[in-house]
Amino acid sequence: GAVVSQHPSRVICKSGTSVKIECRSLDFQATTMFWYRQFPKQSLMLMATSNEGSKATYEQGVEKDKFLINHASLTLSTLTVTSAHPEDSSFYICSAGAGRPFYEQYFGPGTRLTVT
Amino acid sequence: QKEVEQNSGPLSVPEGAIASLNCTYSDRGSQSFFWYRQYSGKSPELIMFIYSNGDKEDGRFTAQLNKASQYVSLLIRDSQPSDSATYLCAVRDSWGKFQFGAGTQVVVTP
Repeated sequence: GAVVSQHPSRVICKSGTSVKIECRSLDFQATTMFWYRQFPKQSLMLMATSNEGSKATYEQGVEKDKFLINHASLTLSTLTVTSAHPEDSSFYICSAGAGRPFYEQYFGPGTRLTVT
Repeated sequence: QKEVEQNSGPLSVPEGAIASLNCTYSDRGSQSFFWYRQYSGKSPELIMFIYSNGDKEDGRFTAQLNKASQYVSLLIRDSQPSDSATYLCAVRDSWGKFQFGAGTQVVVTP
């Protein structure tokens, strides 16, 4: 299957600071990447869909000015959590679409963010 | 009504038995269906996908799709303790959007 990496795997930051998470498709080009958040013992929550070279599409209730998404190339998308607060502490997971014609989603290993 | 519904479990299965997981979806125009496995604290891992009505087998896993009934299932044969995880059903709906179920927790007991 296709390989998706994420960096960092864990990050601890102070309240009010910004954190950038990178998502890379290693062995394929991903025109579409997805960003999810998952709180403990809860299901995946789609935050936004990112298309290469265009603005991300955010799900209802997700603040686009707080969660900045950039998809500058076919293999890299970044999520920046700006002015992080403790309630932003969560498991952030990216995925990339691959395969034709009904592409599958392959997930990165996730980034555990803790805001102190 | 949720787009994709799964029984949350936990589904307790004796080692060596068959685990049967069910999933229903609401969008009749959905085209592709996926099963992911998620271990605690890890991200989901794709284990099966199916597009056509009927069965699809891959090793110990069998996915079954019935579009008329809007139903997709996953069978795990010869269940092992390492199969203990949460299994997520995902559907790509007629808009091309992925919809995930909340997941079914499977516990395989030795």
